Amino acid sequence: ETGVTQTPRHLVMGMTNKKSLKCEQHLGHNAMYWYKQSAKKPLELMFVYSLEERVENNSVPSRFSPECPNSSHLFLHLHTLQPEDSALYLCASSQGGNQPQHFGDGTRLSIL
Amino acid sequence: QKEVEQNSGPLSVPEGAIASLNCTYSDRGSQSFFWYRQYSGKSPELIMFIYSNGDKEDGRFTAQLNKASQYVSLLIRDSQPSDSATYLCAVKRGSGGTSYGKLTFGQGTILTVHP
Repeated sequence: ETGVTQTPRHLVMGMTNKKSLKCEQHLGHNAMYWYKQSAKKPLELMFVYSLEERVENNSVPSRFSPECPNSSHLFLHLHTLQPEDSALYLCASSQGGNQPQHFGDGTRLSIL
Repeated sequence: QKEVEQNSGPLSVPEGAIASLNCTYSDRGSQSFFWYRQYSGKSPELIMFIYSNGDKEDGRFTAQLNKASQYVSLLIRDSQPSDSATYLCAVKRGSGGTSYGKLTFGQGTILTVHP
């Protein structure tokens, strides 16, 4: 139990579907993150939220749309994805931007 | 040049030996350094973090940082088969501004500890 819960754990969707990934942290942290992990590539930071405000958008395509309604919840809305978007999507949280980040178990996304 | 470089391995060590994992980074403004362990099919798990030059020990794990050489390492003493995993090095530039929360990861080193 990491204190960061992601749902769903697995998701298969077609390129025209719309779906959302959810992340909830129970650690009392004030910063949350989305990462993408593809095979044989380093973890890539996608978005950073601090106190529910987005502070980083790491050149991510607009077909990925994050939402952070409060400091405990983070969503990643997906639409019109491409096959190369198939990957493990990881959520993380931390107390401030310099403290260690703690990861959830991830959502394994497959685009048909 | 990659921002954070790790030897992808696999690094194979016998049970009970010391495993030495290395990481170099290119940004001299880097201030915070983290080691994560990732088992196959699982998420990264924080093992150690270090901010100052020198050694930091926690149980069987020792992190070593040399900012002048832009080098950070992780030593695992008395390696166990359960230590077999991918070890990720992550580096963060100084605080605030555009570097807020921005971790840069290496590709990871696969460690195998054989009985």
